[in-house]
Amino acid sequence: NAGVTQTPKFRILKIGQSMTLQCTQDMNHNYMYWYRQDPGMGLKLIYYSVGAGITDKGEVPNGYNVSRSTTEDFPLRLELAAPSQTSVYFCASRTGTSGIRAFFGPGTRLTVL
Amino acid sequence: AQKVTQAQTEISVVEKEDVTLDCVYETRDTTYYLFWYKQPPSGELVFLIRRNSFDEQNEISGRYSWNFQKSTSSFNFTITASQVVDSAVYFCALLNQAGTALIFGKGTTLSVSS
Repeated sequence: NAGVTQTPKFRILKIGQSMTLQCTQDMNHNYMYWYRQDPGMGLKLIYYSVGAGITDKGEVPNGYNVSRSTTEDFPLRLELAAPSQTSVYFCASRTGTSGIRAFFGPGTRLTVL
Repeated sequence: AQKVTQAQTEISVVEKEDVTLDCVYETRDTTYYLFWYKQPPSGELVFLIRRNSFDEQNEISGRYSWNFQKSTSSFNFTITASQVVDSAVYFCALLNQAGTALIFGKGTTLSVSS
Protein backbone atom coordinates (compact mmCIF):
# COMPACT_ATOMS: atom_id res chain seq x y z
CA ASN A 1 0.00 0.00 0.00
CA ALA A 2 1.18 3.51 -0.78
CA GLY A 3 -0.68 5.01 2.21
CA VAL A 4 -1.13 8.77 1.89
CA THR A 5 0.59 10.41 -1.05
CA GLN A 6 1.00 14.12 -1.69
CA THR A 7 2.10 15.98 -4.78
CA PRO A 8 4.08 18.05 -5.40
CA LYS A 9 6.81 17.76 -2.75
CA PHE A 10 8.03 21.31 -3.31
CA ARG A 11 6.58 24.33 -5.05
CA ILE A 12 7.40 28.00 -5.41
CA LEU A 13 4.53 30.32 -6.28
CA LYS A 14 4.36 33.98 -7.09
CA ILE A 15 1.93 36.18 -5.20
CA GLY A 16 -1.53 35.91 -6.71
CA GLN A 17 -0.97 32.60 -8.46
CA SER A 18 -3.21 29.61 -7.86
CA MET A 19 -2.43 25.97 -7.36
CA THR A 20 -3.86 22.69 -6.12
CA LEU A 21 -2.10 20.45 -3.65
CA GLN A 22 -3.01 16.85 -4.32
CA CYS A 23 -3.66 14.23 -1.66
CA THR A 24 -4.59 10.60 -2.27
CA GLN A 25 -5.00 7.69 0.10
CA ASP A 26 -5.48 4.03 -0.79
CA MET A 27 -6.68 2.77 2.60
CA ASN A 28 -10.39 3.46 2.04
CA HIS A 29 -10.39 5.91 4.93
CA ASN A 30 -13.45 8.07 5.47
CA TYR A 31 -11.78 10.91 7.33
CA MET A 32 -9.24 13.16 5.67
CA TYR A 33 -7.52 16.30 6.92
CA TRP A 34 -5.34 19.12 5.66
CA TYR A 35 -2.86 20.79 8.00
CA ARG A 36 -0.29 23.50 7.65
CA GLN A 37 2.88 23.67 9.71
CA ASP A 38 4.67 26.98 10.07
CA PRO A 39 8.24 27.11 11.43
CA GLY A 40 8.35 26.48 15.16
CA MET A 41 4.63 25.88 15.30
CA GLY A 42 2.44 22.86 15.56
CA LEU A 43 0.08 21.67 12.90
CA LYS A 44 -3.01 23.76 12.33
CA LEU A 45 -6.11 22.22 10.82
CA ILE A 46 -7.23 23.89 7.58
CA TYR A 47 -10.10 21.66 6.41
CA TYR A 48 -11.35 18.19 7.07
CA SER A 49 -13.73 15.74 5.45
CA VAL A 50 -15.70 12.88 7.00
CA GLY A 51 -16.55 11.28 3.67
CA ALA A 52 -17.04 11.87 -0.02
CA GLY A 53 -19.06 15.02 -0.61
CA ILE A 54 -18.69 16.26 2.98
CA THR A 55 -16.14 18.88 3.98
CA ASP A 56 -15.87 21.40 6.79
CA LYS A 57 -13.60 24.18 7.95
CA GLY A 58 -10.91 23.74 10.52
CA GLU A 59 -9.01 26.36 12.49
CA VAL A 60 -7.39 28.29 9.59
CA PRO A 61 -9.52 27.90 6.41
CA ASN A 62 -9.18 31.41 4.96
CA GLY A 63 -7.50 31.46 1.56
CA TYR A 64 -8.13 27.77 0.89
CA ASN A 65 -10.78 25.56 -0.62
CA VAL A 66 -11.25 21.82 -0.70
CA SER A 67 -13.40 19.24 -2.41
CA ARG A 68 -14.01 15.55 -1.82
CA SER A 69 -15.56 13.95 -4.85
CA THR A 70 -14.13 10.50 -4.12
CA THR A 71 -13.08 8.61 -0.99
CA GLU A 72 -9.48 8.52 -2.18
CA ASP A 73 -8.81 12.15 -3.11
CA PHE A 74 -8.86 15.35 -1.06
CA PRO A 75 -7.26 18.23 -3.01
CA LEU A 76 -6.49 21.58 -1.40
CA ARG A 77 -6.86 24.66 -3.57
CA LEU A 78 -5.07 27.98 -3.08
CA GLU A 79 -6.77 30.61 -5.21
CA LEU A 80 -4.66 33.76 -4.70
CA ALA A 81 -1.39 32.81 -3.11
CA ALA A 82 -0.03 35.13 -0.44
CA PRO A 83 3.33 35.10 1.40
CA SER A 84 1.44 34.17 4.58
CA GLN A 85 0.65 30.82 2.96
CA THR A 86 4.30 29.86 2.85
CA SER A 87 4.29 26.69 4.91
CA VAL A 88 4.56 22.92 4.89
CA TYR A 89 1.24 21.27 4.15
CA PHE A 90 0.36 17.83 5.44
CA CYS A 91 -2.54 15.66 4.40
CA ALA A 92 -3.78 12.92 6.72
CA SER A 93 -6.42 10.22 6.73
CA ARG A 94 -7.97 7.81 9.19
CA THR A 95 -10.85 5.39 9.39
CA GLY A 96 -14.06 6.36 11.11
CA THR A 97 -13.43 3.82 13.84
CA SER A 98 -13.19 5.61 17.15
CA GLY A 99 -9.74 6.69 18.15
CA ILE A 100 -7.79 5.10 15.33
CA ARG A 101 -4.70 7.11 14.57
CA ALA A 102 -4.23 9.32 11.54
CA PHE A 103 -1.79 8.43 8.78
CA PHE A 104 0.13 11.37 7.38
CA GLY A 105 1.52 12.08 3.96
CA PRO A 106 5.11 13.25 3.49
CA GLY A 107 4.16 16.91 3.16
CA THR A 108 4.35 19.62 0.51
CA ARG A 109 6.72 22.53 1.09
CA LEU A 110 5.21 25.66 -0.45
CA THR A 111 6.93 29.01 -0.78
CA VAL A 112 5.09 32.11 -1.97
CA LEU A 113 7.31 34.95 -3.14
CA ALA B 1 -12.96 24.22 22.81
CA GLN B 2 -10.15 21.76 22.60
CA LYS B 3 -6.57 22.71 23.30
CA VAL B 4 -3.22 21.01 23.66
CA THR B 5 -0.38 22.72 25.47
CA GLN B 6 3.23 21.68 25.31
CA ALA B 7 4.90 24.20 27.56
CA GLN B 8 8.44 23.07 26.79
CA THR B 9 9.57 24.64 23.54
CA GLU B 10 13.07 23.18 23.48
CA ILE B 11 14.92 20.66 25.61
CA SER B 12 18.60 19.82 25.35
CA VAL B 13 20.09 16.75 27.02
CA VAL B 14 23.24 14.72 26.83
CA GLU B 15 23.09 11.16 25.62
CA LYS B 16 21.94 8.61 28.22
CA GLU B 17 19.99 11.18 30.21
CA ASP B 18 16.29 10.59 30.81
CA VAL B 19 13.93 13.23 29.51
CA THR B 20 10.22 13.87 30.01
CA LEU B 21 8.08 15.80 27.56
CA ASP B 22 4.98 17.39 29.03
CA CYS B 23 1.53 17.59 27.48
CA VAL B 24 -1.58 19.15 28.99
CA TYR B 25 -4.91 19.06 27.20
CA GLU B 26 -8.37 20.60 27.46
CA THR B 27 -11.58 19.08 26.21
CA ARG B 28 -15.23 18.86 27.16
CA ASP B 29 -15.68 15.45 25.55
CA THR B 30 -16.07 12.53 27.92
CA THR B 31 -14.44 10.24 25.40
CA TYR B 32 -11.35 11.38 23.57
CA TYR B 33 -8.02 10.11 22.33
CA LEU B 34 -4.49 11.28 22.83
CA PHE B 35 -1.50 10.74 20.59
CA TRP B 36 2.21 11.38 20.44
CA TYR B 37 3.92 11.90 17.10
CA LYS B 38 7.61 12.35 16.36
CA GLN B 39 8.91 14.56 13.56
CA PRO B 40 12.59 13.87 12.81
CA PRO B 41 14.68 16.35 10.80
CA SER B 42 13.55 14.62 7.60
CA GLY B 43 10.11 16.10 8.22
CA GLU B 44 7.73 13.15 8.20
CA LEU B 45 5.34 12.53 11.07
CA VAL B 46 5.89 9.24 12.88
CA PHE B 47 3.15 7.85 15.10
CA LEU B 48 4.36 6.77 18.55
CA ILE B 49 1.37 5.99 20.74
CA ARG B 50 -2.39 6.34 21.17
CA ARG B 51 -4.27 6.41 24.45
CA ASN B 52 -8.04 6.35 25.09
CA SER B 53 -9.55 8.62 27.71
CA PHE B 54 -11.03 5.64 29.53
CA ASP B 55 -7.76 3.74 29.72
CA GLU B 56 -5.40 5.25 32.26
CA GLN B 57 -3.00 2.36 32.27
CA ASN B 58 0.48 3.66 31.68
CA GLU B 59 2.63 2.03 29.07
CA ILE B 60 6.26 1.23 28.54
CA SER B 61 7.70 0.35 25.18
CA GLY B 62 11.42 -0.13 25.18
CA ARG B 63 13.01 3.19 26.15
CA TYR B 64 9.68 5.02 25.83
CA SER B 65 7.04 5.34 28.50
CA TRP B 66 3.85 7.34 28.80
CA ASN B 67 2.06 8.67 31.86
CA PHE B 68 -1.62 9.50 31.34
CA GLN B 69 -3.36 11.21 34.26
CA LYS B 70 -6.95 12.20 33.64
CA SER B 71 -7.17 14.05 36.95
CA THR B 72 -4.56 16.56 35.80
CA SER B 73 -5.37 16.35 32.06
CA SER B 74 -1.81 15.37 31.31
CA PHE B 75 -0.24 12.85 28.95
CA ASN B 76 3.50 12.99 29.46
CA PHE B 77 6.14 11.11 27.49
CA THR B 78 9.46 9.93 28.88
CA ILE B 79 12.52 8.73 26.99
CA THR B 80 14.92 6.72 29.11
CA ALA B 81 18.63 6.71 28.27
CA SER B 82 18.21 9.16 25.40
CA GLN B 83 20.13 8.71 22.18
CA VAL B 84 21.20 11.13 19.46
CA VAL B 85 18.64 9.53 17.13
CA ASP B 86 15.90 10.71 19.49
CA SER B 87 16.57 14.29 18.39
CA ALA B 88 13.31 15.47 16.83
CA VAL B 89 10.23 17.54 17.38
CA TYR B 90 7.62 15.72 19.44
CA PHE B 91 3.95 16.56 19.12
CA CYS B 92 1.10 15.72 21.43
CA ALA B 93 -2.34 15.62 19.81
CA LEU B 94 -5.97 15.30 20.91
CA LEU B 95 -8.76 13.71 18.87
CA ASN B 96 -12.34 14.54 19.78
CA GLN B 97 -15.01 11.91 20.17
CA ALA B 98 -16.54 12.63 16.75
CA GLY B 99 -13.17 12.28 15.06
CA THR B 100 -13.52 15.61 13.32
CA ALA B 101 -10.85 17.54 15.17
CA LEU B 102 -7.31 16.27 15.63
CA ILE B 103 -5.65 19.14 17.47
CA PHE B 104 -1.90 19.39 17.89
CA GLY B 105 0.27 21.12 20.44
CA LYS B 106 3.07 23.38 19.22
CA GLY B 107 5.64 20.67 19.74
CA THR B 108 8.76 20.23 21.83
CA THR B 109 12.13 20.20 20.10
CA LEU B 110 14.42 17.65 21.71
CA SER B 111 18.14 17.86 21.05
CA VAL B 112 20.30 15.00 22.28
CA SER B 113 24.05 15.56 22.09
CA SER B 114 26.76 12.94 22.34
